[in-house]
Amino acid sequence: DTGVSQDPRHKITKRGQNVTFRCDPISEHNRLYWYRQTLGQGPEFLTYFQNEAQLEKSRLLSDRFSAERPKGSFSTLEIQRTEQGDSAMYLCASSLEASGHDEQYFGPGTRLTVT
Amino acid sequence: DAKTTQPTSMDCAEGRAANLPCNHSTISGNEYVYWYRQIHSQGPQYIIHGLKNNETNEMASLIITEDRKSSTLILPHATLRDTAVYYCIVRSLGGSQGNLIFGKGTKLSVKP
Repeated sequence: DTGVSQDPRHKITKRGQNVTFRCDPISEHNRLYWYRQTLGQGPEFLTYFQNEAQLEKSRLLSDRFSAERPKGSFSTLEIQRTEQGDSAMYLCASSLEASGHDEQYFGPGTRLTVT
Repeated sequence: DAKTTQPTSMDCAEGRAANLPCNHSTISGNEYVYWYRQIHSQGPQYIIHGLKNNETNEMASLIITEDRKSSTLILPHATLRDTAVYYCIVRSLGGSQGNLIFGKGTKLSVKP
């Protein structure tokens, strides 16, 4: 078990470009979460999956954002037509939901800079 | 989920106990208190959680008042590596909701 991994760790893109991030959760975990964190703030929830089903989406997740988790394993988060306001750290977490308790294990994050 | 209030920052001397307070006066009966921390440039890390009884694990102790309106996270012997932002989160379990609602947390600085 190597923990949650995210790729890439850093991404610099120009405004208007599309970007895609990948998250590999801990292998037996059935839940996967995406959060966004800007400087000086705590992480903000974006969306989460239980297995391959996307169960909840925050209103922060505009139409330009889409997340997938095919086959209930890794997940991708795509941002289309990036804007400077999308610059943030994107964090992925996974958990094993059992008996209502699920401790979320976070990855190191992908830092996005939109120029 | 109920909101929490934490001091913006705290200092602690290395080797001493760090006591981090959290107010959650609107907590409801089915909501748990969770603590996470975030060391600089890393993702948040789970520390401990509890409902109404005090809890202890290898990282910390969690003391919840009898009325459950506040709690204290205790790091018994703080080290320089405990310097981080500590988040107190109130969360109900079960059902389809799973996300954590983070505030701004308390920035703990452990000084030599």
